[in-house]
Amino acid sequence: AQSVSQHNHHVILSEAASLELGCNYSYGGTVNLFWYVQYPGQHLQLLLKYFSGDPLVKGIKGFEAEFIKSKFSFNLRKPSVQWSDTAEYFCAVKNFGNEKLTFGTGTRLTIIP
Amino acid sequence: NAGVMQNPRHLVRRRGQEARLRCSPMKGHSHVYWYRQLPEEGLKFMVYLQKENIIDESGMPKERFSAEFPKEGPSILRIQQVVRGDSAAYFCASSPTSGRRRDEQFFGPGTRLTVL
Repeated sequence: AQSVSQHNHHVILSEAASLELGCNYSYGGTVNLFWYVQYPGQHLQLLLKYFSGDPLVKGIKGFEAEFIKSKFSFNLRKPSVQWSDTAEYFCAVKNFGNEKLTFGTGTRLTIIP
Repeated sequence: NAGVMQNPRHLVRRRGQEARLRCSPMKGHSHVYWYRQLPEEGLKFMVYLQKENIIDESGMPKERFSAEFPKEGPSILRIQQVVRGDSAAYFCASSPTSGRRRDEQFFGPGTRLTVL
């Protein structure tokens, strides 16, 4: 069965710092990859997704993620974070031909002004 | 276009009672998914439904839990004889039938169930 690991449970950064959140998955077949964000008091929103093609995908609000198939990874990055990026970030994977998403446990990001 | 709606947002039940959680998908979406988030854990898939059909219920507990998505009306997740371990946030998501966003799931705000 597919599993997803997010190594950082809580990350605290100052504004303008660079961000990288790790995500690894276990199943090596064809996968679709997602990052969702949940701002305080709001519902989950899609940040970006990878289906095929260029392994470097760009999402909303300046976020990007790189799919490295050999490492089963899909790390999320942002060169300069803002206070408004404070939220919980979830990595999710969908196996090709299967509709269900498998989520990581999430990373809580706190940005200090 | 309204997003995925879930109600109630908060639900308190005593042990042994029934809990009914409702989910109205986005307009034009005919696929519904339910996920459960226990404290300190990620979201776990429970069930995937299309109108009047359960497609994948591999994540549903074998007893006390059921789900439906009738031809008319919202999808319902029903938990009978609730126990304290059912306390969690239950999220519903929907996806469109076709189009370039077919593989995206749009999430509702969740229902927080507390069992006393």
